[in-house]
Amino acid sequence: QKEVEQDPGPLSVPEGAIVSLNCTYSNSAFQYFMWYRQYSRKGPELLMYTYSSGNKEDGRFTAQVDKSSKYISLFIRDSQPSDSATYLCAMSAAGGTSYGKLTFGQGTILTVHP
Amino acid sequence: KAGVTQTPRYLIKTRGQQVTLSCSPISGHRSVSWYQQTPGQGLQFLFEYFSETQRNKGNFPGRFSGRQFSNSRSEMNVSTLELGDSALYLCASSLTADSNQPQHFGDGTRLSIL
Repeated sequence: QKEVEQDPGPLSVPEGAIVSLNCTYSNSAFQYFMWYRQYSRKGPELLMYTYSSGNKEDGRFTAQVDKSSKYISLFIRDSQPSDSATYLCAMSAAGGTSYGKLTFGQGTILTVHP
Repeated sequence: KAGVTQTPRYLIKTRGQQVTLSCSPISGHRSVSWYQQTPGQGLQFLFEYFSETQRNKGNFPGRFSGRQFSNSRSEMNVSTLELGDSALYLCASSLTADSNQPQHFGDGTRLSIL
């Protein structure tokens, strides 16, 4: 079983829809949670970074972390065609054997059509 | 502020050869991590360097190695290339050694093995 599970989709939504992306994890040592967006032929771009349970909002994006359920989510409001990309969740633990190591989900391919 | 720069962007090699990939981190960032991205396995952690020292290593064979220079620039080397080494190799940098620092990625080097 993978440490981080993410539904690969693909997910197709109309412009203006609310998008919900989710990951579950099994390693209780994970303390830091990230969402990255990756366009074709580009590297992952950091969208959101959180370390505590609860919600964090940045513009149209809201990240939600529930450590008790080992579940994280990313919500995109008023989705745009430019949001079409692969979305990756990533997690890390603190120090020791976790130095510099992010563990990623498989990525969800999102298409927002006009 | 310039982002993470990886060179070359594309590389074609044949089985048995070796290759060196280069990464220049964001100015002021001292930690550099390397990842391999493939369609089947997703993003997998290779190793991390801080202050010219490898502090963490992923589950890859010894053919994969790296180093970091005093200016924080990093290189990774793959010897005796195999077909399965075809992948996008990504470098990420963060400000310090702490796990609570987010990582920022370059656009990668796409390596194709013939």
